[in-house]
Amino acid sequence: DTGVSQNPRHKITKRGQNVTFRCDPISEHNRLYWYRQTLGQGPEFLTYFQNEAQLEKSRLLSDRFSAERPKGSFSTLEIQRTEQGDSAMYLCASSVFGSNYGYTFGSGTRLTVV
Amino acid sequence: TQLLEQSPQFLSIQEGENLTVYCNSSSVFSSLQWYRQEPGEGPVLLVTVVTGGEVKKLKRLTFQFGDARKDSSLHITAAQTGDTGLYLCAGVGLSGNTPLVFGKGTRLSVIA
Repeated sequence: DTGVSQNPRHKITKRGQNVTFRCDPISEHNRLYWYRQTLGQGPEFLTYFQNEAQLEKSRLLSDRFSAERPKGSFSTLEIQRTEQGDSAMYLCASSVFGSNYGYTFGSGTRLTVV
Repeated sequence: TQLLEQSPQFLSIQEGENLTVYCNSSSVFSSLQWYRQEPGEGPVLLVTVVTGGEVKKLKRLTFQFGDARKDSSLHITAAQTGDTGLYLCAGVGLSGNTPLVFGKGTRLSVIA
């Protein structure tokens, strides 16, 4: 297993366009998390899944954001009608529920909305 | 909402110096984790502390969890240029079930 993989690494899009990011977690991990990080800030929680069930969504996650984890494997995060304020690093992490081993993060997708 | 305050926000030191960074909250956490993040990469887990008063050592890094499980510190002895990065603390709520809450981090720069 090569860790958590995120694609694409970088995305530049025009305001108003839709974008989709993909995350492939560590296969043995049943939890998958999405965080957003802007310059000078720590990661902010967006949403998370246990297997295929989406258990929690942050109030930061507007109606333009949607996440899925079909079959409890990879996950996608879609942003519709992007705004300049959506520009950030989107981080995916996975973990084993109930363990203290912490999260394994991917390298992130850097989104720039122009 | 559980908040984690990290201090200092920025720290620039010479190679060989010692330093301590802090992570404080008014909330109690079931555990705290420390991560290091390099530019353009995701955070990487350094340690998890679970028991109040716990001290863990990782080579030149010493982590301590406060007795009341509301705060933590990271001490680096004889800093090296390779220690440069963003140090993040993150807490798990008392239920043990909630997603990690991160502080804003301490950006450390170690100069040769």
